[in-house]
Amino acid sequence: DSGVTQTPKHLITATGQRVTLRCSPRSGDLSVYWYQQSLDQGLQFLIQYYNGEERAKGNILERFSAQQFPDLHSELNLSSLELGDSALYFCASSVRGSTGSGNTIYFGEGSWLTVV
Amino acid sequence: SQKIEQNSEALNIQEGKTATLTCNYTNYSPAYLQWYRQDPGRGPVFLLLIRENEKEKRKERLKVTFDTTLKQSLFHITASQPADSATYLCALLSFSGGYNKLIFGAGTRLAVHP
Repeated sequence: DSGVTQTPKHLITATGQRVTLRCSPRSGDLSVYWYQQSLDQGLQFLIQYYNGEERAKGNILERFSAQQFPDLHSELNLSSLELGDSALYFCASSVRGSTGSGNTIYFGEGSWLTVV
Repeated sequence: SQKIEQNSEALNIQEGKTATLTCNYTNYSPAYLQWYRQDPGRGPVFLLLIRENEKEKRKERLKVTFDTTLKQSLFHITASQPADSATYLCALLSFSGGYNKLIFGAGTRLAVHP
């Protein structure tokens, strides 16, 4: 158990809908990262927050947004869902704000999203 | 363009042998490289980190090498066991757009047969 908690574990929704994925980082971790993993794409970095502020951005679609709250939990909002958004969405956390120092990131178990 | 390449084909080996997985990258100059293990439907788990000024790192039955000239990292599991069967991901630091980001390869699936 990494200590990173993600909900829901599984979600099935229709195209055009909006969903929210939630992540609670490990106790004491200030950074939260979101990754998307699909069968043909591997792990794709979406976005990182550090202590409530956006720190780094990857290939996140405009239809997706995220935020980190004062209690450090984070939410990833996915809207106008398309079939291609079906994937496993991982949240990860780390103590420090920059991966540049080599600090380890710890992954949750993921949220499976199926868009039908 | 920047690429991280890992063998897409599964690696099948016999129990007790040494498994060697490869991670090649182009157009990166990473300060470090990490290796993760991922079991089906689970989140990746950190295994080892090796910095650009380190040639080799060991942890129990695991060994990682890092050759910045060849732009390659090798990941070895000695005395492999069926429990080592999983997908192994390499990840490296990419600095772009003013940010450091940890970028992952697609992973190599390892199957250790009794």
